[in-house]
Amino acid sequence: EPEVTQTPSHQVTQMGQEVILRCVPISNHLYFYWYRQILGQKVEFLVSFYNNEISEKSEIFDDQFSVERPDGSNFTLKIRSTKLEDSAMYFCASSGLLKIYEQYFGPGTRLTVT
Amino acid sequence: AQRVTQPEKLLSVFKGAPVELKCNYSYSGSPELFWYVQYSRQRLQLLLRHISRESIKGFTADLNKGETSFHLKKPFAQEEDSAMYYCALSAEYNFNKFYFGSGTKLNVKP
Repeated sequence: EPEVTQTPSHQVTQMGQEVILRCVPISNHLYFYWYRQILGQKVEFLVSFYNNEISEKSEIFDDQFSVERPDGSNFTLKIRSTKLEDSAMYFCASSGLLKIYEQYFGPGTRLTVT
Repeated sequence: AQRVTQPEKLLSVFKGAPVELKCNYSYSGSPELFWYVQYSRQRLQLLLRHISRESIKGFTADLNKGETSFHLKKPFAQEEDSAMYYCALSAEYNFNKFYFGSGTKLNVKP
């Protein structure tokens, strides 16, 4: 069964550094999402992406964040200048045209900012 | 403001007992409600959607707009139901943005 994959599984970075989190959505999916989950807290929506543009973004998704689909398979989340409070688990998800509401989640990337 | 509340962080029941995982929401428009589940060492996956009115793995959930609740129920819990359960909300027919609750860990004891 096809799955969403994410790399790396764990990323440690210093405050102020840029990070890029990578996701490979399911191949025939058209809708892509990023979420984050700070330890012990809720899963928070960051951004959704369709047809090569952002559909919706949350208040968290400020100018420090950007998303890109650089080729036909990858979907990336970039954080330009990481802060300590960016430490979280970041989940990518994708959904298909027939069941847009059914998101398939990746295993997550744990980002630790020191 | 849009919000999904799951008041219980942990719920422990014995195998065969009924289980109810609570979810309350506040939303200004017309919502769609979902339950997602995350089994140990697995990824988040959709369990059920309110509009489909299905029973999945013996679980059901009814949307109560008057009480703004979407509680997940199962009459007889099984050990394999042990997992993290998340209630989620989106706008009706608009799945560009989802709001998740903080999750309830269900522990079914033998």
